[in-house]
Amino acid sequence: EADIYQTPRYLVIGTGKKITLECSQTMGHDKMYWYQQDPGMELHLIHYSYGVNSTEKGDLSSESTVSRIRTEHFPLTLESARPSHTSQYLCASIAAGTDTQYFGPGTRLTVL
Amino acid sequence: QQQVKQSPQSLIVQKGGISIINCAYENTAFDYFPWYQQFPGKGPALLIAIRPDVSEKKEGRFTISFNKSAKQFSLHIMDSQPGDSATYFCAAKGGRGGADGLTFGKGTHLIIQP
Repeated sequence: EADIYQTPRYLVIGTGKKITLECSQTMGHDKMYWYQQDPGMELHLIHYSYGVNSTEKGDLSSESTVSRIRTEHFPLTLESARPSHTSQYLCASIAAGTDTQYFGPGTRLTVL
Repeated sequence: QQQVKQSPQSLIVQKGGISIINCAYENTAFDYFPWYQQFPGKGPALLIAIRPDVSEKKEGRFTISFNKSAKQFSLHIMDSQPGDSATYFCAAKGGRGGADGLTFGKGTHLIIQP
């Protein structure tokens, strides 16, 4: 089982603020992903990375951006949060040569 | 366009019964089909997965049945227990060229009544 950490777990913030959601994994996985999930709904891929300095947009258009400067770290940033960004954000990673995605506990974001 | 359709949206099963959740997919390029279990406030956890060259896979009380020609797959939970109450998501991987993120179904809220 992989260890994937996300901080903060819960965040309530006002409109217009810049936020960064942290995701880190200790398994040395090259592939990492961000999904967005509204309560009780399916997950949508918003960003992925295949390694350091590699980032791509996913299926669901998102105003967030990501960076991958270190293998273990894959932060997601919103430059100016809006109420429409209210959702749960889940980070995942995959070990090389496998298909199993391991998910972190998620960050529940509320923008007022 | 929803590429993975999941049903039912919610399901209530008596303790000891069989829970069955169905999924259908569109994209024949999908090559890996996992099921995830999610409890409130937690991230999804992999339950069981199958590839299209296998028609059935069983792990403990959980079985995936896969019908490649019909483009359908299902999760069976035998001897369902109250601790199985959770949201279950089917998913599929592939068909995106270089990207291998998962495409998820909308989820099934399963309640096991004692």
